[in-house]
Amino acid sequence: GNSVTQMEGPVTLSEEAFLTINCTYTATGYPSPFWYVQYPGEGLQLLLKATKADDKGSNKGFEATYRKETTSFHLEKGSVQVSDSAVYFCALSDRGGGADGLTFGKGTHLIIQP
Amino acid sequence: GAVVSQHPSWVICKSGTSVKIECRSLDFQATTMFWYRQFPKQSLMLMATSNEGSKATYEQGVEKDKFLINHASLTLSTLTVTSAHPEDSSFYICSARDNSLEQYFGPGTRLTVT
Repeated sequence: GNSVTQMEGPVTLSEEAFLTINCTYTATGYPSPFWYVQYPGEGLQLLLKATKADDKGSNKGFEATYRKETTSFHLEKGSVQVSDSAVYFCALSDRGGGADGLTFGKGTHLIIQP
Repeated sequence: GAVVSQHPSWVICKSGTSVKIECRSLDFQATTMFWYRQFPKQSLMLMATSNEGSKATYEQGVEKDKFLINHASLTLSTLTVTSAHPEDSSFYICSARDNSLEQYFGPGTRLTVT
Protein backbone atom coordinates (compact mmCIF):
# COMPACT_ATOMS: atom_id res chain seq x y z
CA GLY A 1 0.00 0.00 0.00
CA ASN A 2 0.84 3.66 -0.06
CA SER A 3 2.91 5.37 2.63
CA VAL A 4 3.61 9.00 3.42
CA THR A 5 6.61 10.35 5.31
CA GLN A 6 6.73 13.90 6.58
CA MET A 7 9.09 15.70 8.88
CA GLU A 8 8.09 15.41 12.49
CA GLY A 9 7.77 18.41 14.69
CA PRO A 10 7.23 20.44 16.49
CA VAL A 11 8.63 23.02 14.13
CA THR A 12 9.06 26.41 15.82
CA LEU A 13 9.62 29.53 13.73
CA SER A 14 9.48 33.25 14.21
CA GLU A 15 6.86 35.32 12.45
CA GLU A 16 7.79 36.18 8.83
CA ALA A 17 10.22 33.28 8.58
CA PHE A 18 10.32 30.98 5.55
CA LEU A 19 8.63 27.62 6.02
CA THR A 20 9.31 24.24 4.44
CA ILE A 21 7.67 21.02 5.57
CA ASN A 22 8.98 18.04 3.66
CA CYS A 23 6.72 15.27 2.45
CA THR A 24 7.71 12.20 0.45
CA TYR A 25 5.71 9.14 -0.43
CA THR A 26 5.77 5.64 -1.84
CA ALA A 27 2.86 4.56 -3.96
CA THR A 28 1.70 2.42 -6.81
CA GLY A 29 -0.44 3.69 -9.62
CA TYR A 30 -1.20 7.37 -10.08
CA PRO A 31 -1.71 8.95 -6.66
CA SER A 32 -2.79 12.50 -5.92
CA PRO A 33 -1.14 14.40 -3.03
CA PHE A 34 -2.82 16.75 -0.56
CA TRP A 35 -1.95 18.97 2.34
CA TYR A 36 -4.49 19.27 5.17
CA VAL A 37 -4.32 21.62 8.13
CA GLN A 38 -5.84 21.16 11.56
CA TYR A 39 -6.24 24.23 13.72
CA PRO A 40 -6.64 23.75 17.48
CA GLY A 41 -10.05 22.31 18.31
CA GLU A 42 -11.12 21.99 14.69
CA GLY A 43 -11.38 19.24 12.07
CA LEU A 44 -8.96 18.78 9.19
CA GLN A 45 -9.32 21.27 6.37
CA LEU A 46 -7.98 20.89 2.85
CA LEU A 47 -5.16 23.38 2.37
CA LEU A 48 -4.10 22.53 -1.17
CA LYS A 49 -3.76 19.66 -3.59
CA ALA A 50 -2.34 18.57 -6.93
CA THR A 51 -3.71 16.14 -9.47
CA LYS A 52 -0.89 15.57 -11.95
CA ALA A 53 2.89 15.72 -12.11
CA ASP A 54 4.44 19.19 -11.83
CA ASP A 55 1.13 20.69 -10.72
CA LYS A 56 1.54 23.41 -8.10
CA GLY A 57 -1.17 23.73 -5.51
CA SER A 58 -1.48 27.02 -3.67
CA ASN A 59 -3.70 28.56 -1.02
CA LYS A 60 -3.34 31.22 1.69
CA GLY A 61 0.28 31.85 0.67
CA PHE A 62 1.20 28.16 0.92
CA GLU A 63 2.50 26.28 -2.10
CA ALA A 64 3.47 22.72 -2.94
CA THR A 65 4.61 21.20 -6.23
CA TYR A 66 3.92 17.57 -7.10
CA ARG A 67 7.27 16.07 -8.10
CA LYS A 68 6.88 12.55 -9.42
CA GLU A 69 10.59 12.09 -10.08
CA THR A 70 11.37 12.63 -6.40
CA THR A 71 7.97 11.41 -5.13
CA SER A 72 7.62 14.57 -3.08
CA PHE A 73 5.09 17.28 -2.27
CA HIS A 74 6.90 19.70 0.03
CA LEU A 75 4.89 22.51 1.60
CA GLU A 76 6.35 26.03 1.54
CA LYS A 77 5.37 29.51 2.62
CA GLY A 78 7.49 32.60 2.22
CA SER A 79 6.44 34.46 5.35
CA VAL A 80 4.57 32.69 8.12
CA GLN A 81 2.17 34.32 10.57
CA VAL A 82 1.17 33.43 14.11
CA SER A 83 -2.21 32.38 12.75
CA ASP A 84 -0.49 29.62 10.73
CA SER A 85 0.20 27.72 13.95
CA ALA A 86 -1.49 24.35 13.46
CA VAL A 87 -0.82 20.71 12.61
CA TYR A 88 -0.16 20.03 8.93
CA PHE A 89 -0.81 16.64 7.37
CA CYS A 90 0.48 15.43 4.03
CA ALA A 91 -1.84 12.86 2.46
CA LEU A 92 -2.14 10.71 -0.63
CA SER A 93 -5.10 9.37 -2.55
CA ASP A 94 -4.83 6.27 -4.69
CA ARG A 95 -6.82 7.88 -7.43
CA GLY A 96 -7.01 11.42 -8.64
CA GLY A 97 -9.21 13.88 -6.81
CA GLY A 98 -9.47 12.09 -3.50
CA ALA A 99 -11.92 9.50 -4.72
CA ASP A 100 -10.58 6.97 -2.28
CA GLY A 101 -9.75 7.07 1.37
CA LEU A 102 -6.53 8.90 2.10
CA THR A 103 -3.16 7.74 3.41
CA PHE A 104 -1.81 10.30 5.87
CA GLY A 105 1.59 11.23 7.20
CA LYS A 106 2.00 11.60 10.96
CA GLY A 107 1.47 15.34 10.91
CA THR A 108 3.81 18.24 11.65
CA HIS A 109 3.00 20.58 14.51
CA LEU A 110 3.95 24.11 13.49
CA ILE A 111 4.40 26.80 16.12
CA ILE A 112 4.88 30.41 15.02
CA GLN A 113 6.16 32.80 17.64
CA PRO A 114 5.53 36.54 17.42
CA GLY B 1 -18.47 25.69 2.94
CA ALA B 2 -19.32 22.05 3.50
CA VAL B 3 -19.65 21.10 7.13
CA VAL B 4 -19.38 17.68 8.71
CA SER B 5 -20.34 17.09 12.32
CA GLN B 6 -19.64 14.22 14.67
CA HIS B 7 -21.49 13.23 17.79
CA PRO B 8 -20.48 12.83 20.49
CA SER B 9 -17.25 14.80 20.58
CA TRP B 10 -16.01 12.64 23.41
CA VAL B 11 -17.28 9.58 25.21
CA ILE B 12 -16.16 7.41 28.10
CA CYS B 13 -17.52 3.88 28.34
CA LYS B 14 -16.88 0.75 30.34
CA SER B 15 -15.13 -2.25 28.90
CA GLY B 16 -17.57 -4.65 27.23
CA THR B 17 -20.15 -2.04 26.28
CA SER B 18 -20.90 -0.70 22.79
CA VAL B 19 -20.58 2.88 21.64
CA LYS B 20 -22.15 4.54 18.60
CA ILE B 21 -20.55 7.52 16.87
CA GLU B 22 -22.49 9.58 14.33
CA CYS B 23 -21.10 11.42 11.33
CA ARG B 24 -23.36 13.90 9.52
CA SER B 25 -22.91 16.03 6.44
CA LEU B 26 -24.88 19.14 7.35
CA ASP B 27 -25.25 20.99 4.05
CA PHE B 28 -24.53 18.47 1.34
CA GLN B 29 -25.29 14.89 0.41
CA ALA B 30 -22.54 12.34 0.72
CA THR B 31 -22.84 8.98 -0.98
CA THR B 32 -19.47 8.06 0.47
CA MET B 33 -18.07 8.64 3.93
CA PHE B 34 -14.79 7.46 5.39
CA TRP B 35 -13.87 6.47 8.92
CA TYR B 36 -10.35 7.03 10.25
CA ARG B 37 -8.66 6.29 13.53
CA GLN B 38 -5.86 8.36 15.02
CA PHE B 39 -3.58 7.33 17.85
CA PRO B 40 -1.66 9.96 19.84
CA LYS B 41 1.09 11.51 17.76
CA GLN B 42 0.31 9.13 14.91
CA SER B 43 -1.20 9.61 11.52
CA LEU B 44 -4.83 9.01 10.65
CA MET B 45 -5.41 5.41 9.58
CA LEU B 46 -8.24 4.65 7.20
CA MET B 47 -10.55 2.07 8.76
CA ALA B 48 -13.35 1.74 6.26
CA THR B 49 -15.26 3.28 3.41
CA SER B 50 -18.97 3.72 3.99
CA ASN B 51 -21.28 3.78 0.98
CA GLU B 52 -24.92 4.81 1.26
CA GLY B 53 -27.23 1.88 0.87
CA SER B 54 -24.54 -0.80 0.71
CA LYS B 55 -22.05 -2.59 2.91
CA ALA B 56 -18.96 -0.81 4.08
CA THR B 57 -15.54 -1.73 2.74
CA TYR B 58 -13.02 -2.38 5.48
CA GLU B 59 -9.27 -1.94 5.29
CA GLN B 60 -7.03 -4.89 5.95
CA GLY B 61 -6.71 -5.64 9.64
CA VAL B 62 -9.92 -3.86 10.68
CA GLU B 63 -12.49 -6.19 12.24
CA LYS B 64 -15.83 -5.58 10.58
CA ASP B 65 -17.74 -7.35 13.35
CA LYS B 66 -16.18 -5.08 15.93
CA PHE B 67 -16.53 -1.81 14.06
CA LEU B 68 -20.04 -1.82 12.62
CA ILE B 69 -20.74 0.84 10.02
CA ASN B 70 -24.16 1.86 8.81
CA HIS B 71 -24.76 4.48 6.11
CA ALA B 72 -28.53 4.62 6.02
CA SER B 73 -28.96 8.02 4.42
CA LEU B 74 -27.07 10.47 2.26
CA THR B 75 -26.24 12.62 5.29
CA LEU B 76 -25.56 10.11 8.06
CA SER B 77 -23.07 7.35 8.72
CA THR B 78 -22.64 5.66 12.08
CA LEU B 79 -19.73 3.72 13.54
CA THR B 80 -20.52 1.36 16.40
CA VAL B 81 -17.64 0.01 18.44
CA THR B 82 -18.97 -3.25 19.85
CA SER B 83 -17.75 -4.84 23.07
CA ALA B 84 -15.24 -2.06 23.51
CA HIS B 85 -11.92 -2.69 25.23
CA PRO B 86 -9.25 -0.27 26.47
CA GLU B 87 -7.20 -0.83 23.32
CA ASP B 88 -10.08 0.64 21.31
CA SER B 89 -9.52 3.97 23.01
CA SER B 90 -8.61 6.38 20.27
CA PHE B 91 -9.65 9.42 18.28
CA TYR B 92 -12.15 8.53 15.54
CA ILE B 93 -12.55 10.90 12.61
CA CYS B 94 -14.99 10.73 9.73
CA SER B 95 -14.97 12.46 6.38
CA ALA B 96 -17.72 12.91 3.82
CA ARG B 97 -17.19 13.19 0.10
CA ASP B 98 -19.28 15.50 -2.04
CA ASN B 99 -19.97 15.35 -5.77
CA SER B 100 -16.68 17.06 -6.54
CA LEU B 101 -14.93 14.14 -4.79
CA GLU B 102 -13.44 16.45 -2.18
CA GLN B 103 -13.44 15.10 1.37
CA TYR B 104 -14.64 17.19 4.29
CA PHE B 105 -13.62 16.10 7.76
CA GLY B 106 -15.51 16.04 11.00
CA PRO B 107 -13.95 17.34 14.23
CA GLY B 108 -13.43 13.85 15.60
CA THR B 109 -14.67 11.81 18.56
CA ARG B 110 -12.45 10.93 21.50
CA LEU B 111 -13.30 7.46 22.83
CA THR B 112 -11.96 6.33 26.18
CA VAL B 113 -12.72 2.79 27.33
CA THR B 114 -12.17 2.11 31.02
